[in-house]
Amino acid sequence: SYELTQPPSVSVSPGQTASITCSGDKLGDKYASWYQQKAGQSPVLVIYQDTKRPSGIPERFSGSNSGNTATLTISGTQAMDEADYYCQAWDSSIAGVFGTGTKVTVL
Amino acid sequence: EVQLVQSGAEVKKPGESLKISCKGSGYNFPSYWIGWVRQMPGKGLEWMGIIYPGDSKTKYSPSFQGQVSISADNSISAASLQWSSLKASDTAMYYCARHAGNYFDYWGQGTLVTVSS
Repeated sequence: SYELTQPPSVSVSPGQTASITCSGDKLGDKYASWYQQKAGQSPVLVIYQDTKRPSGIPERFSGSNSGNTATLTISGTQAMDEADYYCQAWDSSIAGVFGTGTKVTVL
Repeated sequence: EVQLVQSGAEVKKPGESLKISCKGSGYNFPSYWIGWVRQMPGKGLEWMGIIYPGDSKTKYSPSFQGQVSISADNSISAASLQWSSLKASDTAMYYCARHAGNYFDYWGQGTLVTVSS
């Protein structure tokens, strides 16, 4: 079965850049999306189709996807960005799969 | 405004059956895939499966194929997730979400299912 691997945790200082990776076999050939989940809340889509931001998501969130790795970048990280982040891949052969999740801590 | 409203929390015993629901509003319900995501206590998100209400076509993750059943009723704009015989390991939060081609764009508030003897 297809697997997506993320680092368990990432720490970042306020105002700095956080990068979260998501690794999977030939992930760049599939569409990747990213979700933010704050404690006790439902997930929220922050990046879809590798690089697109939904309406209402701040510009500091950006994404890329190439080779075997998709990356979510949070520029100028704020305290409100502290959350769990999950990547998700999709193509017709695997249906959908989520990554293992990354806890972002803003120190 | 797109909204997905899920049914309330459930407490069941092992071996019992269960059906939870997710009612969509604010969009053309038959025209979008809608799916289910499991989150076990303290764990990550798991992609379970999706259904296209327009023709009831389904796609399941191999991990959940045969373990649950996903259905939809266009007359009430609702999707459902069903178990025929619950296990303690089915204890989790279950989210429904609208599937916009290759990602989930709108999510429900979650339904907590607790299975305990």
